[in-house]
Amino acid sequence: DAKTTQPPSMDCAEGRAANLPCNHSTISGNEYVYWYRQVHSQGPQYIIHGLKNNETNEMASLIITEDRKSSTLILPHATLRDTAVYYCIVSAGAGSYQLTFGKGTKLSVIP
Amino acid sequence: DTEVTQTPKHLVMGMTNKKSLKCEQHMGHRAMYWYKQKAKKPPELMFVYSYEKLSINESVPSRFSPECPNSSLLNLHLHALQPEDSALYLCASSPRTGITSYNSPLHFGNGTRLTVT
Repeated sequence: DAKTTQPPSMDCAEGRAANLPCNHSTISGNEYVYWYRQVHSQGPQYIIHGLKNNETNEMASLIITEDRKSSTLILPHATLRDTAVYYCIVSAGAGSYQLTFGKGTKLSVIP
Repeated sequence: DTEVTQTPKHLVMGMTNKKSLKCEQHMGHRAMYWYKQKAKKPPELMFVYSYEKLSINESVPSRFSPECPNSSLLNLHLHALQPEDSALYLCASSPRTGITSYNSPLHFGNGTRLTVT
């Protein structure tokens, strides 16, 4: 079973920030939070990952709560090309059997 | 564009056919993965190769046979498939696997869409 819970769908207006939540209340101390997204008919794309500190890269920001039981992925200025399914995954490494995809959140960016 | 190349993009095969899916990466990654994705479902892990050796088989039926001839290539040989095996088959790679690989996100190809008739 996936270790994360995400809302099945969200809408966001183009140009606004998209905030995608993820609950991972059973996360272990050595497990990281990873975010991937999948545009229709393409393979998943890595976005960002973190352990306990907030992280930012050119694509997004990741905010992890102090107790590490939840996180939020932030796309600061959503565009139509950000419409995709976003997967939040907890794993102790990129390895294999621990990288289990949950159902994800379908983000629709609206013009 | 993805750095993991999968061929063919589409494949239609009968239940008695034998076919192969191919995956190639030239990033020097030493771990390669096969995932299966049914429509409107998340990807499911099938196999993991680490340093050209099969390290994980997620109880996949024997009609799916993986092969890793070298560190850049990964094949999935298909034989006697069923219509319910129709899916998007995704290949991925990462520099390494295991507990020290936390900074090694997976790089995915765009998949082969397989239809079994």
